Amino acid sequence: QKEVEQDPGPLSVPEGAIVSLNCTYSNSAFQYFMWYRQYSRKGPELLMYTYSSGNKEDGRFTAQVDKSSKYISLFIRDSQPSDSATYLCAMSAGGAQKLVFGQGTRLTINP
Amino acid sequence: EAQVTQNPRYLITVTGKKLTVTCSQNMNHEYMSWYRQDPGLGLRQIYYSMNVEVTDKGDVPEGYKVSRKEKRNFPLILESPSPNQTSLYFCASRNPGQLYGYTFGSGTRLTVV
Repeated sequence: QKEVEQDPGPLSVPEGAIVSLNCTYSNSAFQYFMWYRQYSRKGPELLMYTYSSGNKEDGRFTAQVDKSSKYISLFIRDSQPSDSATYLCAMSAGGAQKLVFGQGTRLTINP
Repeated sequence: EAQVTQNPRYLITVTGKKLTVTCSQNMNHEYMSWYRQDPGLGLRQIYYSMNVEVTDKGDVPEGYKVSRKEKRNFPLILESPSPNQTSLYFCASRNPGQLYGYTFGSGTRLTVV
């Protein structure tokens, strides 16, 4: 079983839709949770991050962490074609510990 | 501009021919890491380095070598590449207090035939 599971999609939605992306994990030591966005032929870029449980909002993006269920989510409101990318969840136990990534979800927003 | 620079961006090589992928960062970061990205498997760590002359294996180190002789550079060496090392490779760097992730390079697409 992978430490982090993410539905690879692909996911295709119309412009303006609310998008929900999710990951589950098995390692209860994870405390730092991140979402990366990766455009085609580019490296991943940090989009959102949260520590432990709770919500964090940044513009149209909301990240949620439920440590009791070992489940994290990223919501995108009023989705735009420029949001079309692969979204990767990543998590770490902190310190020098490595990032562990999900498989990535390929998202397409159709105009 | 703060960045991680990888070279080359694309490489096609033959089985067994030694190659090196270079990685350089201009942010004075202590931690550097190499990942490979494969469809359905996400990003997996190959090797990482916590500082000059300090390196350690990640999850998939077989067939790879690294060195960290200078803080800014972290080359990835494939001494005898095989087709199963065909992949997209990313170098990344961060500082110890920068818990929320790495800065990634733009990637190296390697094909071994």
